[in-house]
Amino acid sequence: AQKITQTQPGMFVQEKEAVTLDCTYDTSDQSYGLFWYKQPSSGEMIFLIYQGSYDEQNATEGRYSLNFQKARKSANLVISASQLGDSAMYFCAMGSNFGNEKLTFGTGTRLTIIP
Amino acid sequence: NAGVTQTPKFRILKIGQSMTLQCTQDMNHNYMYWYRQDPGMGLKLIYYSVGAGITDKGEVPNGYNVSRSTTEDFPLRLELAAPSQTSVYFCASSSTQGAPGANVLTFGAGSRLTVL
Repeated sequence: AQKITQTQPGMFVQEKEAVTLDCTYDTSDQSYGLFWYKQPSSGEMIFLIYQGSYDEQNATEGRYSLNFQKARKSANLVISASQLGDSAMYFCAMGSNFGNEKLTFGTGTRLTIIP
Repeated sequence: NAGVTQTPKFRILKIGQSMTLQCTQDMNHNYMYWYRQDPGMGLKLIYYSVGAGITDKGEVPNGYNVSRSTTEDFPLRLELAAPSQTSVYFCASSSTQGAPGANVLTFGAGSRLTVL
């Protein structure tokens, strides 16, 4: 079985600062994918970034990067130069390496950006 | 492209009533999913389907039924609604084409259900 743990229920960060959201995972699979989704107050789920277990380099998508440490089983999301629009719930999730199968989600971190 | 469309967006049910949440996708995705999100929590998988005529249980299937007669539609049926089914329900879909990580789940906007 796969398990995702997000230990930060809420975080407050000053605008323009970088922020790291923690995510640890547990699985016996050798091949898997890790995902981050953003859920703003409007409620929709927005895909941010993907990291495959075989990828040697950390994934990056604009201001988002994923700090993947396989030996520690962690997949932290780093947001650089935070903006007010980054205020939202952030969910870490795990699935297959192809990303097209059912995902297991963590409980989320509520990020609030302070002007 | 509409993506994944869920109806209704909001619904209030009385205990014991039944209803169907509709989900339609126009991306020709073969995989479809139903998740529920309880307040302050992550999403939990209710049912999923890998193609028309094929469905399987997720983590929390009790109290729900699904069917998949076409590629586009994946309705979720609640029989004998209970207060524990008060939640936000998300439908999602994905494809099996392309490189790893290229086919992440696309979610609908969600349906907020309250059972009183």
